Amino acid sequence: SQQGEEDPQALSIQEGENATMNCSYKTSINNLQWYRQNSGRGLVHLILIRSNEREKHSGRLRVTLDTSKKSSSLLITASRAADTASYFCATGENQGGKLIFGQGTELSVKP
Amino acid sequence: EAGVAQSPRYKIIEKRQSVAFWCNPISGHATLYWYQQILGQGPKLLIQFQNNGVVDDSQLPKDRFSAERLKGVDSTLKIQPAKLEDSAVYLCASSLWGVETQYFGPGTRLLVL
Repeated sequence: SQQGEEDPQALSIQEGENATMNCSYKTSINNLQWYRQNSGRGLVHLILIRSNEREKHSGRLRVTLDTSKKSSSLLITASRAADTASYFCATGENQGGKLIFGQGTELSVKP
Repeated sequence: EAGVAQSPRYKIIEKRQSVAFWCNPISGHATLYWYQQILGQGPKLLIQFQNNGVVDDSQLPKDRFSAERLKGVDSTLKIQPAKLEDSAVYLCASSLWGVETQYFGPGTRLLVL
């Protein structure tokens, strides 16, 4: 079963704009991760945030986590055409354990 | 550092046939995962190995799916007999023991006709 829901399911923006994707989950977590998947490829890890953290940055990525609302958001600033991909949030219930993925947000960045 | 290797990349079979997928994780990664990703959905864990022992296979359809990780390195996932609903991408991932980040292979795209 899938842990969470991602919103929106699809997002289309112009290059240079910011993209925000949201993820909600149901159970207690140890960590939440975001992965990117280009068409026909495997998943690539982007960023991890632990349950005791509220915000994390990595380059053009900003992730927030609100454990009281069981939700997270991923912000990609100054988007590029190369950011076009599907983005998945995944929750880990414990350290080093399995991940439960959402259904993903399909991002299209038009040049 | 070499990534997670998977083969074959594509496979087309008819229902009721059998198929096997192979995965070689990143060197030194004790934990290995097999996921099934149906079109339009996120990956779903089928089985998790810690070295050559099974940690979690609660979502593995054991009447038709089997997996092994002999010697705690590479792994094989088998489906026998295949059903139409098994059409999906099968992803292998690995991680260091106790570390949350997983590294994924390119996947095997299976089409069952």
